[in-house]
Amino acid sequence: ETGVTQTPRHLVMGMTNKKSLKCEQHLGHNAMYWYKQSAKKPLELMFVYNFKEQTENNSVPSRFSPECPNSSHLFLHLHTLQPEDSALYLCASSQDASGGANEQFFGPGTRLTVL
Amino acid sequence: GQNIDQPTEMTATEGAIVQINCTYQTSGFNGLFWYQQHAGEAPTFLSYNVLDGLEEKGRFSSFLSRSKGYSYLLLKELQMKDSASYLCAVRDSNYQLIWGAGTKLIIKP
Repeated sequence: ETGVTQTPRHLVMGMTNKKSLKCEQHLGHNAMYWYKQSAKKPLELMFVYNFKEQTENNSVPSRFSPECPNSSHLFLHLHTLQPEDSALYLCASSQDASGGANEQFFGPGTRLTVL
Repeated sequence: GQNIDQPTEMTATEGAIVQINCTYQTSGFNGLFWYQQHAGEAPTFLSYNVLDGLEEKGRFSSFLSRSKGYSYLLLKELQMKDSASYLCAVRDSNYQLIWGAGTKLIIKP
């Protein structure tokens, strides 16, 4: 049990659909992250929220829209996705987005397939 | 650009020792992490190095040389459950984690 939950675990959507991924952390952390993981590629950082403020947006297309209503919840809103967006989307949290042995705790991920 | 290199796949025998190498070129350095990821599961934290030298934690040890941009993860007394991917990540000057593509470790009986 990592303390970070994600729903849904699997999602199949068409290119015209709108869906949302949800992440919740029960660890009392102040930073939350969205990552994209494609087969045999490094984890790609998409968004970072530190104390509910978005601090990073690594050139992510606007069809991905994050929302962080509080320190425990993080959403990723999806619309008009492309087949190449099919991947595992991982949520993570850490005490904050600074240095030190400040490891990130990951959720189990949402396996997204775009048809 | 920023780059993390690690072997794509390694094979080892149960009970043996294996060393997984990681080399990095990043804009700044604020620590290096190793994570383990079993197939279909979330990555889990294994170790953190920020100073040169060896950090030992049970069967796992991690080494860092900042001058060489090099780290390794050493796994001793391998067990079948150690079959997983091992991810190397470096925290850069912006405190972002830069990740390697991972090393898939296959353990054979």
